[in-house]
Parts: sequence; structure tokens; C-alpha cells
Amino acid sequence: AQRVTQPEKLLSVFKGAPVELKCNYSYSGSPELFWYVQYSRQRLQLLLRHISRESIKGFTADLNKGETSFHLKKPFAQEEDSAMYYCAPAPMGGSQGNLIFGKGTKLSVKP
Amino acid sequence: DAGVTQSPTHLIKTRGQQVTLRCSPKSGHDTVSWYQQALGQGPQFIFQYYEEEERQRGNFPDRFSGHQFPNYSSELNVNALLLGDSALYLCASTWDRVTGELFFGEGSRLTVL
Repeated sequence: AQRVTQPEKLLSVFKGAPVELKCNYSYSGSPELFWYVQYSRQRLQLLLRHISRESIKGFTADLNKGETSFHLKKPFAQEEDSAMYYCAPAPMGGSQGNLIFGKGTKLSVKP
Repeated sequence: DAGVTQSPTHLIKTRGQQVTLRCSPKSGHDTVSWYQQALGQGPQFIFQYYEEEERQRGNFPDRFSGHQFPNYSSELNVNALLLGDSALYLCASTWDRVTGELFFGEGSRLTVL
């Protein structure tokens, strides 16, 4: 069965501290992986996709196929990073339309 | 560009009733996906419409049906509502159903009493 696990419901860090949001997946085939973010009172939006290998707002995510993980990292958290973060795989070469979302991790960055 | 718009924003129904939710995709987008987000959960994929046909479907019963119109807008219909159908229903559109980024609406919050 295809499954995404985000083990932390809530992650609280101080401004300037490193942050890592964990994501483990169980997926048949080779999925493409995404992180979506929802800031307070805003829509769900794409943060980054592993295939582009970009750093967005200082965040990076490394795909570890052996551990089937796709953890999201940022070396120095900012207050504006406080949001709900969702890890989501989709079929490689297939449609993003049928993403499988994890339950999400709420990141709280304290001043 | 208003982005993805959904209506209504909130509605309350009783068990057994039927509901229709509407979505207008972002300008230039021809593919619409629907998701259900229960409280405390991530969004769950319901189905995707492209060229007025259902192209992919998640693990939802036949009570959930949809439609896409020639102008690419879409409707989600749920029949015989259950208490468990209470959720935020999200619509997402994209310009390329294979590689395109999903753009989400703000959702329609359905409460079933």
C-alpha cells in the first residue's frame, strides 16, 4: 500500500535553529516527491519538488531511496517559516493530480 | 488572475442529503483535481478531470461524482451524505496534468449534521 508518514505532528524550534521535518514513504515504483506548505490563512502551495533539486526559501530536501525518506531541512529557521508542511509523493512521470499527502507537520518557530 | 476559486465557502447539510461544490480553475488550466481534507489529516485525492472526463480516481465510493464543463470548471457531487463526509473539500488545477504544479483553492467546508 502507498503510504506517507510524517512522524511529528508538531515541531517547535527557536529562530535561527536548524529544522528538519521528517517524511518516510512506502510507494510502489519510483515516485516523484513534493513538499507542500500552508501558511496561516493561505492556500496550500507547492514548496519544492525533489526532481528540480532547488532550494526554496532556504529549504532543501534530500531523497534517500534506501531509507525511503524525503526529509525537509533548513539550517536557520525564521519566524515566517511557521506553517503546516505536507510531504506528498506522486507517480514518477505521472500526474501530480493524485498526490498522496501525509498528515502534515506543524512547524512553529519561536522568536 | 483570481487563481482557483471555489464555492460555497461553507455549508451545512443533514445526513442523507446531496451536495454540489463548484470550482473554477486558474486561467489557462485545463485539469482539475478534487481532494477531501478531514480535520487533522492531509488532503486525500478524490478524482481528477481532464477534457471533461474523469481520468483518475482515489479510494472513494460512487456517492462521490463529478463533472467538468467545456470551460474547464468542475463540480463535485456527494449523494446520501454521511456524518463522515464532513471535511474541507479542496479543488486544485494545473496546466499540465503530468508535470504541472497544482494550484489549490481555499476550499469548501462541508458540515454534515
